Amino acid sequence: SQQGEEDPQALSIQEGENATMNCSYKTSINNLQWYRQNSGRGLVHLILIRSNEREKHSGRLRVTLDTSKKSSSLLITASRAADTASYFCATARSEKLVFGKGTKLTVNP
Amino acid sequence: EAGVVQSPRYKIIEKKQPVAFWCNPISGHNTLYWYRQNLGQGPELLIRYENEEAVDDSQLPKDRFSAERLKGVDSTLKIQPAELGDSAVYLCASSAGGLAATDTQYFGPGTRLTVL
Repeated sequence: SQQGEEDPQALSIQEGENATMNCSYKTSINNLQWYRQNSGRGLVHLILIRSNEREKHSGRLRVTLDTSKKSSSLLITASRAADTASYFCATARSEKLVFGKGTKLTVNP
Repeated sequence: EAGVVQSPRYKIIEKKQPVAFWCNPISGHNTLYWYRQNLGQGPELLIRYENEEAVDDSQLPKDRFSAERLKGVDSTLKIQPAELGDSAVYLCASSAGGLAATDTQYFGPGTRLTVL
């Protein structure tokens, strides 16, 4: 079963624009992680935010976590064509990582 | 540093045939995971190993799926017999510390299985 629900399912933007993806989940978590998957490839870990953290940055990525609303967002600033991929949130609870269905991001050059 | 290696990358078989996937994790990583990813979905955990011990196989369909991790390094996932619904990408991942909830997992490229 999948706990996280990403929104939107698909997003198309122009290079240089910002991209925002959201993730909602249902139960309490230890942490929330975001992964990227390029077409035909494995997943790559992007960032982890713990349940007691509200915001985290890594390069052009900004992740927020609102445990009261059970939601998280991933912001990619100044997007590039190479950011085209599917992005998954994964909630960590009881030694298990549960992935959502993903947001498919297309960055047009 | 070499990443997680999986083979084969693609496999096409007819239903009722057996199939096996192989995974070599990152050197030194004690924890190994097998996931199944259906089209348009996120990965779903099938089994997690700590060294050679399967510590979470609750999602593994045991009537037809089996897995082993000999000597706590390489792992093999087998399906026998395969069904049409088994068509998916099978991903292997590994992590260093053994705490699935907090460790970064490193994924292989996956094996895309098509059952005809």
